Amino acid sequence: DAGVTQSPTHLIKTRGQQVTLRCSPKSGHDTVSWYQQALGQGPQFIFQYYEEEERQRGNFPDRFSGHQFPNYSSELNVNALLLGDSALYLCASSSQRQVTLRNQPQHFGDGTRLSIL
Amino acid sequence: EDKVVQSPLSLVVHEGDTVTLNCSYEVTNFRSLLWYKQEKKAPTFLFMLTSSGIEKKSGRLSSILDKKELFSILNITATQTGDSAVYLCAVAYSGGGADGLTFGKGTHLIIQP
Repeated sequence: DAGVTQSPTHLIKTRGQQVTLRCSPKSGHDTVSWYQQALGQGPQFIFQYYEEEERQRGNFPDRFSGHQFPNYSSELNVNALLLGDSALYLCASSSQRQVTLRNQPQHFGDGTRLSIL
Repeated sequence: EDKVVQSPLSLVVHEGDTVTLNCSYEVTNFRSLLWYKQEKKAPTFLFMLTSSGIEKKSGRLSSILDKKELFSILNITATQTGDSAVYLCAVAYSGGGADGLTFGKGTHLIIQP
């Protein structure tokens, strides 16, 4: 049973560039949440996707956008990269549709380490 | 503004010691409190607490929630070097039909042999 998978594992970009990060949820999960974790900090909620729509958003600028596909996988896009965007980007999945899984915790992937030069 | 505060931020103890990690919160539309362990990469789930006063236990780890005083503790007894990690406390809240998680900064626990 595959858990949450993210790609790539590491990425180096320069200021002003754009980046796309990818996430496949755990089998049976239909909801994907994205978090940004700066060094020495806890993860910060970016947004959550369910049924291919953004359901909730944290305090992030609209340079951060996302997408969810019919197979529940998701992408996080960041435009006009800033030095402060350097962080570990974590994807977490959960289930809304399956009643038996609905109150279960979010499961996290290993993250993408994004470095901005 | 929703807030989760963990203490201490770092802790160094010797193998065999018992540690208590603290988490206090101020969150609207509280649903549950979760503890995760983060070593190098993915936070791994430890406990989810929804009711006050009911202790959850898994081996040497245990946790309890106080919804009146808005805090939780995570206890680890007979610590081992493999317990060295960052322990994250998160509160799940309901908003617009979605469940976001608000995390604290974490407690960096180091177990010395």
